[in-house]
Amino acid sequence: ELKVEQNPLFLSMQEGKNYTIYCNYSTTSDRLYWYRQDPGKSLESLFVLLSNGAVKQEGRLMASLDTKARLSTLHITAAVHDLSATYFCAVDIANYGQNFVFGPGTRLSVLP
Amino acid sequence: SQTIHQWPATLVQPVGSPLSLECTVEGTSNPNLYWYRQAAGRGLQLLFYSVGIGQISSEVPQNLSASRPQDRQFILSSKKLLLSDSGFYLCAWSDGTVYEQYFGPGTRLTVT
Repeated sequence: ELKVEQNPLFLSMQEGKNYTIYCNYSTTSDRLYWYRQDPGKSLESLFVLLSNGAVKQEGRLMASLDTKARLSTLHITAAVHDLSATYFCAVDIANYGQNFVFGPGTRLSVLP
Repeated sequence: SQTIHQWPATLVQPVGSPLSLECTVEGTSNPNLYWYRQAAGRGLQLLFYSVGIGQISSEVPQNLSASRPQDRQFILSSKKLLLSDSGFYLCAWSDGTVYEQYFGPGTRLTVT
């Protein structure tokens, strides 16, 4: 059975600190996606990682993909309060978009 | 640019009543369409996806059904709602290349 795991599930950090969220998955896939969800809202696409070694950066967030280790990371640099949200990774297990499996999400709270 | 609409935004329905949620996409043609459900505080569960008119695949057995009567319209239905159908229902679309999924604003359904 496919599993997509994230850790930590809850993260409380102070502004200005760095931290990494991990996404592990149990099947072969070359496509991994990161999303952000604010409370009560829909999902916003953050990063699309389509090959081994892919690295994408946007502002204080950087995502990477290691398909051999079946691991993706979302690194937060110098966190600010506006980054508080729940972050989901999703694995495209069919590799053609027909079956995304989402992780449970990491709820991030950035404290002043 | 592409936009995705869902309605209604919120819905409160009694157990045993029917359900119809609608999703439409503008600004693209022949999208892949998806229905997800998110239980409170949880990740997303893929319910249905469609690669074309009349083509529906179901990921989990359930009390729900989906239809795609037009290229950019996706409908989620139930004949008789259960308490366990409560949740946040999200529609998403993707193209046939990168397969990044773009989510609609969601419908929050409460079954009483």
